[in-house]
Amino acid sequence: AQTVTQSQPEMSVQEAETVTLSCTYDTSESDYYLFWYKQPPSRQMILVIRQEAYKQQNATENRFSVNFQKAAKSFSLKISDSQLGDAAMYFCAYRSAGSSGDKLTFGTGTRLAVRP
Amino acid sequence: GAVVSQHPSWVICKSGTSVKIECRSLDFQATTMFWYRQFPKQSLMLMATSNEGSKATYEQGVEKDKFLINHASLTLSTLTVTSAHPEDSSFYICSARKPGLARETQYFGPGTRLLVL
Repeated sequence: AQTVTQSQPEMSVQEAETVTLSCTYDTSESDYYLFWYKQPPSRQMILVIRQEAYKQQNATENRFSVNFQKAAKSFSLKISDSQLGDAAMYFCAYRSAGSSGDKLTFGTGTRLAVRP
Repeated sequence: GAVVSQHPSWVICKSGTSVKIECRSLDFQATTMFWYRQFPKQSLMLMATSNEGSKATYEQGVEKDKFLINHASLTLSTLTVTSAHPEDSSFYICSARKPGLARETQYFGPGTRLLVL
């Protein structure tokens, strides 16, 4: 079974600075998808960024980018120019690309605080 | 867009009663929807996968008779918590898979907070 590990329960960043959230996963599959979701205090899950394992290029969405290291099974999220609205819980998630792959497996989350 | 709604947003009920939670995909058809449960300060745990027109697939440890799932149309799935007890109090979140280029992506509803007294 796949597992997703987020080793940082809490992180803090100064507004306008850059922060990196860590995520590692364990799988025997070669094709899969990885996601970062944001859960603000409203608890609405919001997709931040997604990465296909077959793509070597790291995904980027505005201030959000990932460092995908397939061999190391690492998928970190970098938030540049942090804003107060970035404060939230961030979840890393894994999804198989196979026929049984609808299931999302989530990490335990990292709570990000942004200091003004 | 990919908007998923849930109703109600919160509910308080007495122990022993049943509660129905609705999950709707507003601007797309979803053949597959998912139900998650989230305890305070914890991650999301998948309860079941709901497929339109067929029986739901439950994760190990989830009681099928306790958590009834119906996916009668391409835009609506319902979760009924039967004979609710205080330990069922939790935050329930649904998601829907949107067909198309990014079909592997799930879009989440805003969640339903259930409190059983």
